[in-house]
Formats: sequence, C-alpha cells, structure tokens
Amino acid sequence: EAGVTQFPSHSVIEKGQTVTLRCDPISGHDNLYWYRRVMGKEIKFLLHFVKESKQDESGMPNNRFLAERTGGTYSTLKVQPAELEDSGVYFCASSLLGGDRETQYFGPGTRLLVL
Amino acid sequence: AQTVTQSQPEMSVQEAETVTLSCTYDTSESDYYLFWYKQPPSRQMILVIRQEAYKQQNATENRFSVNFQKAAKSFSLKISDSQLGDAAMYFCAYRSANYGGSQGNLIFGKGTKLSVKP
Repeated sequence: EAGVTQFPSHSVIEKGQTVTLRCDPISGHDNLYWYRRVMGKEIKFLLHFVKESKQDESGMPNNRFLAERTGGTYSTLKVQPAELEDSGVYFCASSLLGGDRETQYFGPGTRLLVL
Repeated sequence: AQTVTQSQPEMSVQEAETVTLSCTYDTSESDYYLFWYKQPPSRQMILVIRQEAYKQQNATENRFSVNFQKAAKSFSLKISDSQLGDAAMYFCAYRSANYGGSQGNLIFGKGTKLSVKP
C-alpha cells in the first residue's frame, strides 16, 4: 500500500511568488491534515479536511494560505504571495475516519525556502 | 490549551545501550492519546508507539517502550539495545480523544535529536 506522498520535495522561491504544495493521502483515508515546522520550532497544525470539507482551519496563519481538497482525494496548499517567514517544512498526514483514526500517517514533507 | 514539552534537544547513546527520551505535557482533559514519532534524516516521519491515556499499562513495541505517568503528565520513551538505525529526530505528540474540530490534530513537542555511536 502506498503511503502519503507530497510534491514537490523541495521548493525555493522568491518573496512575493506563489507556490502550490500537493499531498496525496493514503487511499481510503478521509482525514487529511496539514502541518508546518518552522526551523527550530514545533510542528504546528494548519488545517484538517474530512473528505472534501474543511473541518478545522484554525491553524492557518493568514489569508495568504489557501488549502483545497478536490473530490476528497488529494489536497493542495497554496501560498500567495509567499513571505520569508513562510519558509519551513510542510507536512501532510492522513488517517482513517473511524476505526484506527487516532493514528496519523505522515508524508515526507515539502521543504519550502522563501528568499 | 494543551502543550507538549521535550526538554532534551539532543541526546546521544552508545550502540546496544539503552536511552530514555523525556516528554511532558499539559492538559485538562482526562482522555487523550500520546504518540512518539521518529523522523530519520531526510526520511519520512513514522509512528513509533502510541499510548491511550485510559490504559494503565505502558505500551511496548519491540525495543521501544514508554513510561506513562498520567498524574505527573509524563510520557518518556525508552529505546533498548540501540541500533544505528535508531538515529533520528524523535517527536512526542498529544491528541485529544474527543474527535471533531480542532481536537483531531496532533500537538507536538520540539523534538529530540538522537545520535547513536558505533
């Protein structure tokens, strides 16, 4: 079974540009989470989808961040325009809805550097 | 709000020895889950072990075990017979058992970088 995948693995952009990160969850996982780790700090929750609906977006830093989950499958996280403080590693995780829903499985992350 | 604290930014252990990573947390909830995740260098974060707060018995997974002290809000990870492949960043995480809304997400500590010496 394929795990959570994320694309790209790395992205280097200039301040003011736009970047879109993609996450493909494990097949059948209705829960999808986005997290971010800024260097030297904790991994912080950004938002949570249940299928195609945003269950909780309380962790989104500001309106420069837009997340979508098309048809309840893959998700994208767009940062527009990017700022220096957006640099960090963006993780995606997925879990089952019901059953072993307590365990979240993580992707490898996207390392974003804003110059 | 819940918080998770890992007080050891870095730890080192000799191969085949035992090491314990510390984690404390703060919560007013009585039912929750605690996790240890491991992230090897340049690799995916994987679940090491999980503990349900309602269970008194400490979770174990092969060479990995936890010491869960609910009253003290402590959740340490013990790695026995350390191997070179155990070198990684270890994250302690908390999750409310009340599913729904913001309680579905994980709350992480800052992590402990474990080095294993041959």
